[in-house]
Amino acid sequence: QVQLVQSGAEVKRPGASVKVSCKVSGYILNELSMHWVRQAPGEGLEWMGGIHPQNGKSIYAQNLQGRITMTDDTSTDTAYMELSSLRSDDTAVYYCAIDLGNGSYEYWGQGTLVTVSS
Amino acid sequence: DIQMTQSPSSLSASVGDRVTITCRASQSISSYLNWYQQKPGKAPTLLIYGASTLHSGVPSRFSGSGSGTDFTLTISGLQPEDFATYYCQQSYSPPSFTFGPGTTVDIK
Repeated sequence: QVQLVQSGAEVKRPGASVKVSCKVSGYILNELSMHWVRQAPGEGLEWMGGIHPQNGKSIYAQNLQGRITMTDDTSTDTAYMELSSLRSDDTAVYYCAIDLGNGSYEYWGQGTLVTVSS
Repeated sequence: DIQMTQSPSSLSASVGDRVTITCRASQSISSYLNWYQQKPGKAPTLLIYGASTLHSGVPSRFSGSGSGTDFTLTISGLQPEDFATYYCQQSYSPPSFTFGPGTTVDIK
């Protein structure tokens, strides 16, 4: 049984950074492609970044380039997404999701609400 | 970047209705198209991948079709639990898997 468990809700000031974790169980982190998706209140799903399945490199959405970093700790099968220089429009639920090889997200984390407010 | 559009943005339907949602890609994506369902406060769930392959456990009233740039999600016989928002997603250019804007299906 594959499960993705994310870290808890965060409240941040504008200009700060946030780091959200996603612990994978039931699968080995090295054997999957981890992605991050966010959803602002009342809005649709926005793809943020993912791991290229062939070369393992992180690819980020153009509008987040320079502010987003995806990392992982294979010893604990935990993935991380860090977003810096936070703005109010970064307020959203952040999801991790995994592609097991067929180009779709079979499994999702439960979501982490990040609120950016002064 | 590949852009995705969906129509309609919302629709009202009754239990038992046949519902069709359309998704269009800005360039050909072959059959690299997925559909997700999302209910309020929950993470999305995968319905269909590869344009027409039903994900395990998804009821057969859901079906997908299309290739190239134009795709369709059909719900044959809408059930109360199907009132939700539906998103298409292209997976043609991994790992950049962009989503459509969503279609909300609500009760007439």
